[in-house]
Amino acid sequence: EVQLVESGGGLVQPGRSLKLSCLASGFTFSNYGMNWIRQAPGKGLEWVASISSSSSYIYYADTVKGRFTISRDNAKNTLYLQMTSLRSEDTALYYCATTLGASYFDYWGQGVMVTVSS
Amino acid sequence: DVVMTQTPVSMSVSLGGQVSISCRSSQSLVHNNGNTYLSWYIQKPSQSPQLLIYKVSNRFSGISDRFSGSGSGTDFTLKISRVEPDDLGVYYCGQGTQYPFTFGSGTKLEIK
Repeated sequence: EVQLVESGGGLVQPGRSLKLSCLASGFTFSNYGMNWIRQAPGKGLEWVASISSSSSYIYYADTVKGRFTISRDNAKNTLYLQMTSLRSEDTALYYCATTLGASYFDYWGQGVMVTVSS
Repeated sequence: DVVMTQTPVSMSVSLGGQVSISCRSSQSLVHNNGNTYLSWYIQKPSQSPQLLIYKVSNRFSGISDRFSGSGSGTDFTLKISRVEPDDLGVYYCGQGTQYPFTFGSGTKLEIK
């Protein structure tokens, strides 16, 4: 059974940093692409970033480019999202999601809340 | 960026009824490799989104055949037949043909 467990969220002041983690199990993590998708309170889904299996290909939404860094540790079955220069508009529930197929999100974690506020 | 437009924004249906949700993209979703990466997700109340349909018409593992996807190019439809109470939630279409990946704004399905 595929399981994705996010952690690392919380309340942070504008301009500060935060690092999210997503621990994966139930599939061969090192073989597949991974993604971060977020959902602001009461809003829809926004894709944030994607990383290929070997980290060779990385893509970001324009809204986070230059501030967020997606990475992975295949030995630890863990996906990361380093977030810097946080803004109030980054407040959202952050989901990690798999790409076991191609270009769609097969499995989603339960999400981790990030609140950016002074 | 590819803009995904979903209609209607919300709808109400009786149990056992049928619904159709439309999703239109601002550009063709046909990838250079010939595949069309249009997918559908449901977000049930207080839950994470779940994949229903991928590549226009393929049901994901464990998804009931009451759900069907169709369309091509820029126009796509999700149909739900014999609606059940567990079908309530917000439905999103999403495209994975080109970065940035984008989603529609969602269609809220309510049960009468």
